[in-house]
Amino acid sequence: AQSVSQHNHHVILSEAASLELGCNYSYGGTVNLFWYVQYPGQHLQLLLKYFSGDPLVKGIKGFEAEFIKSKFSFNLRKPSVQWSDTAEYFCAVSGGSYIPTFGRGTSLIVHP
Amino acid sequence: GAGVSQSPSNKVTEKGKDVELRCDPISGHTALYWYRQSLGQGLEFLIYFQGNSAPDKSGLPSDRFSAERTGGSVSTLTIQRTQQEDSAVYLCASSQNEGQGGETQYFGPGTRLLVL
Repeated sequence: AQSVSQHNHHVILSEAASLELGCNYSYGGTVNLFWYVQYPGQHLQLLLKYFSGDPLVKGIKGFEAEFIKSKFSFNLRKPSVQWSDTAEYFCAVSGGSYIPTFGRGTSLIVHP
Repeated sequence: GAGVSQSPSNKVTEKGKDVELRCDPISGHTALYWYRQSLGQGLEFLIYFQGNSAPDKSGLPSDRFSAERTGGSVSTLTIQRTQQEDSAVYLCASSQNEGQGGETQYFGPGTRLLVL
């Protein structure tokens, strides 16, 4: 069975601060990894995903994530956050099935 | 183009009543998923439809929950004899399942269910 752990449930930052949200997964085989974001009042949408190839994945709005297989991790990073990055962030993994397992989410609040 | 739509957007019901939630996926998407999102929790998988295959119902929490997908398009999630613990946001997502497992899911706005 696959599982996902997001370590930070609530993160509060000031604008221009750097961001790193942790995500660890449990699955022994080949994985696909995702970060989804839900801005206030909007649908969940894909931020970025790792399918194969370069383990450093770049997504929308300056976000990136690095797949470190040896650590079973897929942490999300952004060098300088903006107020508009305030949202809920979900990490997800799909291993042996087409059904992704989602983490509990991290609520990010960025103060202007 | 049109995204995933869900109706109703909000539903308030009394304990013991049945409710039906509807999802219209993106045209051409063969895969459809239902999730439940409770306050402070992640997305809990409920059921997965893929084309004409038998659905994966492994996430349904009890036999009060059922879902169907007609003609490979619209899906209805039915909750019978609702309980207060069923209160949550029910999310639908669709994807073009190309058999590789890395497909992006496109989510609807959700139905917020409140059971009094």
